[in-house]
Amino acid sequence: GENVEQHPSTLSVQEGDSAVIKCTYSDSASNYFPWYKQELGKRPQLIIDIRSNVGEKKDQRIAVTLNKTAKHFSLHITETQPEDSAVYFCAATSNDYKLSFGAGTTVTVRA
Amino acid sequence: DTGVSQNPRHKITKRGQNVTFRCDPISEHNRLYWYRQTLGQGPEFLTYFQNEAQLEKSRLLSDRFSAERPKGSFSTLEIQRTEQGDSAMYLCASSWGTGVGNTIYFGEGSWLTVV
Repeated sequence: GENVEQHPSTLSVQEGDSAVIKCTYSDSASNYFPWYKQELGKRPQLIIDIRSNVGEKKDQRIAVTLNKTAKHFSLHITETQPEDSAVYFCAATSNDYKLSFGAGTTVTVRA
Repeated sequence: DTGVSQNPRHKITKRGQNVTFRCDPISEHNRLYWYRQTLGQGPEFLTYFQNEAQLEKSRLLSDRFSAERPKGSFSTLEIQRTEQGDSAMYLCASSWGTGVGNTIYFGEGSWLTVV
């Protein structure tokens, strides 16, 4: 099955700086890569996703890049704000129902 | 809030007892999923339904676990003879349609502690 690895496990950044989270996947058939943000005690919420026919996608301060050859994808958050502090999960899937998640990255934005 | 609703949000039970969690998906979503999440880990897929049909179960779902979705609406996840290793957050999610890339919306989870 699919195996997704996520790095780093924790990330502390100064407010206004950028944050980058990287994930690798094992199944070359994976074709959909969502990112979820989970605040303490809250539900995971989709923040951005990318499909395998696209190399990069951007939504305001958030961007995701995908390298299918290397089987890795990354989340970039620019101009970080305190409300960006949360746990971020990457995921991958080759079908339309089973997401395989990374272990998560705890992002702390220092004021 | 018209999102995915789960209850109870928290459950403490003694080992060996049975517990049942309920999930109400977003209205008209035809797919419903159950995931399990332990501290410091990402959610792990347990099972999913398309309408009332349970189409796949993970090997994580032992014989003590059973999920149903009668009439293709709400779903229940029952754990029989609970063990301490069952302690986790059980997340329900739903989506509309088929095909890769349909957004999966999660509920806020049901925390289970087995003592």
